[in-house]
Amino acid sequence: GAGVSQTPSNKVTEKGKYVELRCDPISGHTALYWYRQSLGQGPEFLIYFQGTGAADDSGLPNDRFFAVRPEGSVSTLKIQRTERGDSAVYLCASSYNRAAGELFFGEGSRLTVL
Amino acid sequence: AQKITQTQPGMFVQEKEAVTLDCTYDTSDPSYGLFWYKQPSSGEMIFLIYQGSYDQQNATEGRYSLNFQKARKSANLVISASQLGDSAMYFCAMREGGGGGFKTIFGAGTRLFVKA
Repeated sequence: GAGVSQTPSNKVTEKGKYVELRCDPISGHTALYWYRQSLGQGPEFLIYFQGTGAADDSGLPNDRFFAVRPEGSVSTLKIQRTERGDSAVYLCASSYNRAAGELFFGEGSRLTVL
Repeated sequence: AQKITQTQPGMFVQEKEAVTLDCTYDTSDPSYGLFWYKQPSSGEMIFLIYQGSYDQQNATEGRYSLNFQKARKSANLVISASQLGDSAMYFCAMREGGGGGFKTIFGAGTRLFVKA
């Protein structure tokens, strides 16, 4: 597709369960970002990939959160032992690897932990 | 560490008037980029305008302009001739360039209400 694709668009899970969120970036974009956005807040940086490697994972809140991008394209954000505080919209964005390149965002995955 | 501050949680503007949304930033990197994004109630993030730290002139894109004051570390967004469709959340963002990688961080946002 032409844009950034995120699946699922909505995920409801129970506390303690494992969740995977997928992001398919725009073809040719080497940089991929994950953000978390709570209602009425700005996107909170989680992790940034340059190709296959995580160039900066300083925003991951704890070791329950992990992300991979094994082939330098699709990325998966993995959350173990989910907590109610993990409920948010998880945004993925991609861009060209240059300072002036704007981010192209997906529509987000809304995670609700009951 | 990078930091973006947007001090206006909400702003009101009359249709057809201009409005300025404030943004200040903090970075020790001499090379950086500043961005503004719009997020309507539908949730998608829309890129509006970009300003590089070495750009001599303020960026403009249609009705959007960026008032870049480097010494004051401010990058205010000016929207001219406001339209009802401009009602949305607006986020200022900064990306450090070069050796700092291209991590982009966002401010808390300003919600703009355009009144008819």
